[in-house]
Amino acid sequence: DGGITQSPKYLFRKEGQNVTLSCEQNLNHDAMYWYRQDPGQGLRLIYYSQIVNDFQKGDIAEGYSVSREKKESFPLTVTSAQKNPTAFYLCASTTSGTFYGYTFGSGTRLTVV
Amino acid sequence: AQSVTQPDIHITVSEGASLELRCNYSYGATPYLFWYVQSPGQGLQLLLKYFSGDTLVQGIKGFEAEFKRSQSSFNLRKPSVHWSDAAEYFCAVGSNDYKLSFGAGTTVTVRA
Repeated sequence: DGGITQSPKYLFRKEGQNVTLSCEQNLNHDAMYWYRQDPGQGLRLIYYSQIVNDFQKGDIAEGYSVSREKKESFPLTVTSAQKNPTAFYLCASTTSGTFYGYTFGSGTRLTVV
Repeated sequence: AQSVTQPDIHITVSEGASLELRCNYSYGATPYLFWYVQSPGQGLQLLLKYFSGDTLVQGIKGFEAEFKRSQSSFNLRKPSVHWSDAAEYFCAVGSNDYKLSFGAGTTVTVRA
């Protein structure tokens, strides 16, 4: 079955370390997105990519970086510059044709200690 | 810029009772509108969507939503809730560039 795979499901890191979250899709979707979710704040857009080798900042890009070297993959790096990285991170994708909304992965919960 | 407001942070409903979740959006053109549901620790699942046409849309799990342009609303309803409907619900508005903006969510608790 097609879908989006986020790994790992839980991630623990020490403060000051960079960490990379994986997002892979086999839906042949062109666009991919990273959201951060905090209690009571909904989903906030970090970065998005509508085509390979191109990506744009979302509303809260500071302290994060991404790459899009393959259509299927859109990894997110949480750098040491991110002041409050502990959160639930969601990856999503959509086709570039008729907009049917996003398909979401199951998320990665990052805890920085 | 587009935005979504979900006025109710938390709703408690008895099993078998009806449920209505409110959503108001702000967008200059005809919006793409969505409702998603999220169980704890999981991703979001699409319940239903509205693009155009009939303003009453049917979704999965017995949910429906009505688009009211004059009120900039897209409220979600279910006639009879089940305990499994306890979850967080997100309304979202989308634009032609395929970006979605989400509301803060409404948590639904179902009591026996």
